[in-house]
Amino acid sequence: EAQVTQNPRYLITVTGKKLTVTCSQNMNHEYMSWYRQDPGLGLRQIYYSMNVEVTDKGDVPEGYKVSRKEKRNFPLILESPSPNQTSLYFCATSGGQKQFFGPGTRLTVL
Amino acid sequence: GENVEQHPSTLSVQEGDSAVIKCTYSDSASNYFPWYKQELGKRPQLIIDIRSNVGEKKDQRIAVTLNKTAKHFSLHITETQPEDSAVYFCAASLVHFGNEKLTFGTGTRLTIIP
Repeated sequence: EAQVTQNPRYLITVTGKKLTVTCSQNMNHEYMSWYRQDPGLGLRQIYYSMNVEVTDKGDVPEGYKVSRKEKRNFPLILESPSPNQTSLYFCATSGGQKQFFGPGTRLTVL
Repeated sequence: GENVEQHPSTLSVQEGDSAVIKCTYSDSASNYFPWYKQELGKRPQLIIDIRSNVGEKKDQRIAVTLNKTAKHFSLHITETQPEDSAVYFCAASLVHFGNEKLTFGTGTRLTIIP
């Protein structure tokens, strides 16, 4: 079954404590992306990756890092989380422009 | 960059009636327009999409129309059912230097009244 998975699904943390949200896909897609969803703002792209070791910034990259060491995994790293990064995060993978989203990670930074 | 506007932000329709959600985009080079349905607490799910070389596409009770000249596209849901209640997002996409970024509208909360 084609899947995009994210972990953790829910996370409450404190300002400055490094965290990683994992994303994994089994669809063999080259393109992966991270979005954040905030009320009234829709979904906005944070980072994307066109292939292994190829990543670039989206519209709202400040405060985030990513890596793409394997085709199936695309983790999102928050080195020093701040309260304005409290949001709902979605990983997405794309085949032929059709993007499929992971289940989401609800992050709260206190 | 691309900008997508979506209207209305909320929509209530009687069960069995039709619902229409409209979006406009700014970049005439955008060539792919998907619609996503997001139920409470769930991920956005692709329900229908259209490419710029097509004017209309139907899938059972759902249809999307695209007017490239006016740069707007619409989602039409006929014979609405309670399970159609959700937030719907339109998006526009142009592959730019390999980035398949979706630019989303701000969403329409559709409520079907039984």
